[in-house]
Amino acid sequence: GENVEQHPSTLSVQEGDSAVIKCTYSDSASNYFPWYKQELGKRPQLIIDIRSNVGEKKDQRIAVTLNKTAKHFSLHITETQPEDSAVYFCAAPNSGNTPLVFGKGTRLSVIA
Amino acid sequence: EAEVAQSPRYKITEKSQAVAFWCDPISGHATLYWYRQILGQGPELLVQFQDESVVDDSQLPKDRFSAERLKGVDSTLKIQPAELGDSAMYLCASSRRSGREAFFGQGTRLTVV
Repeated sequence: GENVEQHPSTLSVQEGDSAVIKCTYSDSASNYFPWYKQELGKRPQLIIDIRSNVGEKKDQRIAVTLNKTAKHFSLHITETQPEDSAVYFCAAPNSGNTPLVFGKGTRLSVIA
Repeated sequence: EAEVAQSPRYKITEKSQAVAFWCDPISGHATLYWYRQILGQGPELLVQFQDESVVDDSQLPKDRFSAERLKGVDSTLKIQPAELGDSAMYLCASSRRSGREAFFGQGTRLTVV
């Protein structure tokens, strides 16, 4: 089945700097890659996703890049703000249209 | 904005007791998932439904866990008997179809004492 590895497990950045979180996946049939943000005590919320037919997608300060050959995708947050502090999870389907398998998460701290 | 509804938000139960969680997915979402999230880790799938049918329960500890979605809408997850190691957040999620955008409920935080 799908194996999703996420790095780093913790990340601290100064406010205004960029943050990058990387994930690798094992199933070459995976074709959908979402990123979730989970604030303390709250539900995971979908913040951006990418499908395998594109290499990059951007939404304001957040972008996701996908390298299907290398089987990795990354979350990029620019001009970080304190409210970006949270745990971020990447995910990929187990195979094609099957359930999402989640990475172990990255705890991002943005220091004012 | 439509949301996945879960209840209760918090549950404390004694070891060996039975406990049940309820989930109402976003209207029109055929796919429903139950995930378990241990503090500090990512969500792990317990069971997936497509309409009223179970399509993946390979990670569900079937000796003590059961799940149903009788009419293909809301769903119940039961644990009997509860064990100390079951303490976790139980998250329900739904999507229009499997492998696509999944939206999570607020979760039920279970503490087994």
